[in-house]
Formats: sequence, structure tokens, C-alpha cells
Amino acid sequence: LAKTTQPISMDSYEGQEVNITCSHNNIATNDYITWYQQFPSQGPRFIIQGYKTKVTNEVASLFIPADRKSSTLSLPRVSLSDTAVYYCLVGEWAMNRDDKIIFGKGTRLHILP
Amino acid sequence: DTEVTQTPKHLVMGMTNKKSLKCEQHMGHRAMYWYKQKAKKPPELMFVYSYEKLSINESVPSRFSPECPNSSLLNLHLHALQPEDSALYLCASSQDSGGPSYEQYFGPGTRLTVT
Repeated sequence: LAKTTQPISMDSYEGQEVNITCSHNNIATNDYITWYQQFPSQGPRFIIQGYKTKVTNEVASLFIPADRKSSTLSLPRVSLSDTAVYYCLVGEWAMNRDDKIIFGKGTRLHILP
Repeated sequence: DTEVTQTPKHLVMGMTNKKSLKCEQHMGHRAMYWYKQKAKKPPELMFVYSYEKLSINESVPSRFSPECPNSSLLNLHLHALQPEDSALYLCASSQDSGGPSYEQYFGPGTRLTVT
């Protein structure tokens, strides 16, 4: 899997839009970009996945530029309950390859009132 | 039902004990995973089962022994653990195990403490 780099932590305020960028310079042609959210003492939860351009669902948007060497998770109008760790994963793991499912270090997002 | 359940929620065991962690899903998923997560660290993949067969073992010590009795159940048998094995053990499942579009559903985890 492509190695990912994210900010270690971010602070924002309730009601703001939060953008978390993930760098993945060696992303492969078939790799997808996936984001997970994790609250303390809980398992990660899938947020969004994309390949190129923009993907939007009910909780977030994912922006991917043409070169795909980075991606930005956008959380609109955050609330205190969005305080969590956000992980960016890049890859196309398949059982017949020697790829590993590797979570990056994640970004600790802290929402302030 | 999009839930992955794990039992027990908490487990304290001595280094000479034998215990098992259990994971269950009823989403018809054919891939199941065990992860280990230490405090303030990302989850680390331990094992992957695909269609009830072990397909990935990430060089995990033999004191951890996975078992997949059927497509809905995944066990992790623990024996002679060390205090450094204390962690949150997460189970996950996905529709299949190949390709990027297979969202993983995680359970709440078992908090294991080895004394």
C-alpha cells in the first residue's frame, strides 16, 4: 500500500468546515483512497472512499486532485461529536498480492465549543 | 444488521491462562480480520480470513491462534501472553477480501489486560 502522511492533530470550532489532507505521493494506478473515523475505545468506522475528483456522501466529501498524490477529507459544519481520530488508507489490497492493510498514524481532530 | 459483535468487552488474564476472544457478524461477509491496537496508535493487522481460510498472518507470535469455525464466527485463542500484549483487539469483516471497495465493518473491540 502507498504510504500516507497526515497532520498529527487539528483543532477547530463547532460549526466550522474542517479539511484534513492526506499525502500519498506513490499512489498506484489501481489504488483507492479510504477514510475511517475512530472514537476512543471503539472500532474504526468507514467514512468515505474515492478514486478521483470528488465524492460526497451524507457525512463528508472527499476531494482528489488530478494527480491523485493527495486527498482532502472535508467535514461540513462539525460538532463536538466529530472529535475523533481520522485515518487515511490508500491501496487496493488483494489476497494474491503481498500488500498489507496499513493504517497510517491518523489525525486527531479536536472540536472546540 | 450491519453490526459486528465482540465478546467479552473486557478481559483480564494472567500470563499462564488460556482464553478466547469471539467475533460474530451476520452480514454475509466472507472476509474477517483481527487487529491489535495499542493506546494512541493505529490498528495493526494480525490475521485475515477469506472464505473461512486463513489468508494473511502478519508474523503474529504463536501465542495468538485464530480460528474461523464458519463464515459468521471468528475466534482468537490466547495462551501464555505477555504483559506487552495488553491492547484493544478489534475484529472486522468485509464483503470480500480483495479490492478497494470492500468497506470494513469493525466491532467495538475487546480490551485485554495481561497481568
